[in-house]
Amino acid sequence: KQEVTQIPAALSVPEGENLVLNCSFTDSAIYNLQWFRQDPGKGLTSLLLIQSSQREQTSGRLNASLDKSSGRSTLYIAASQPGDSATYLCAGSTGGGNKLTFGTGTQLKVEL
Amino acid sequence: GAVVSQHPSRVICKSGTSVKIECRSLDFQATTMFWYRQFPKQSLMLMATSNEGSKATYEQGVEKDKFLINHASLTLSTLTVTSAHPEDSSFYICSAVTSGDNEQFFGPGTRLTVL
Repeated sequence: KQEVTQIPAALSVPEGENLVLNCSFTDSAIYNLQWFRQDPGKGLTSLLLIQSSQREQTSGRLNASLDKSSGRSTLYIAASQPGDSATYLCAGSTGGGNKLTFGTGTQLKVEL
Repeated sequence: GAVVSQHPSRVICKSGTSVKIECRSLDFQATTMFWYRQFPKQSLMLMATSNEGSKATYEQGVEKDKFLINHASLTLSTLTVTSAHPEDSSFYICSAVTSGDNEQFFGPGTRLTVL
């Protein structure tokens, strides 16, 4: 059974810092990987999708990479802003399907 | 990105009643929809996979007779929590994906409180 761990569980940084969120899978045979953001009491917003043939995706200040050999993904956030404060979730699918297994989440707080 | 809606956003019901939650893809056809539940300060747990025109596939430990799923069209899936009990209180989120695509789009969630 796939298990996904995110480190750190919580993070508090001053505005402007660059930061890295980590995600690791017990089964490294990841087909697709998505990073999401969840604000309190809300649904999920898709940030980045790394498809089976890809290793990296960028959108604005966000960059996500996937190392399939180790089953690890990182989300890099540049020049963090208070509006980035949220819980960040990674999720991956295996076996060519769409079923996602979610990580435990990283709760990020960016302070002024 | 694609838009997925859920209705209602919040529902409070008495123990023993049934509650229906709707999930709609607004600007695309969803061949597959997924239903998740999320307990406070925990991650999302997949409950079932819903394919249009066929029976839903439930994850281990999820009672199919308690959580009825119907995916009658390419834009609508419903989850009915039957004979709800306080332990069913949770945040229920659906997602949708279109054929040939791999990105899942999520609804805003439904907060169910069973008294």
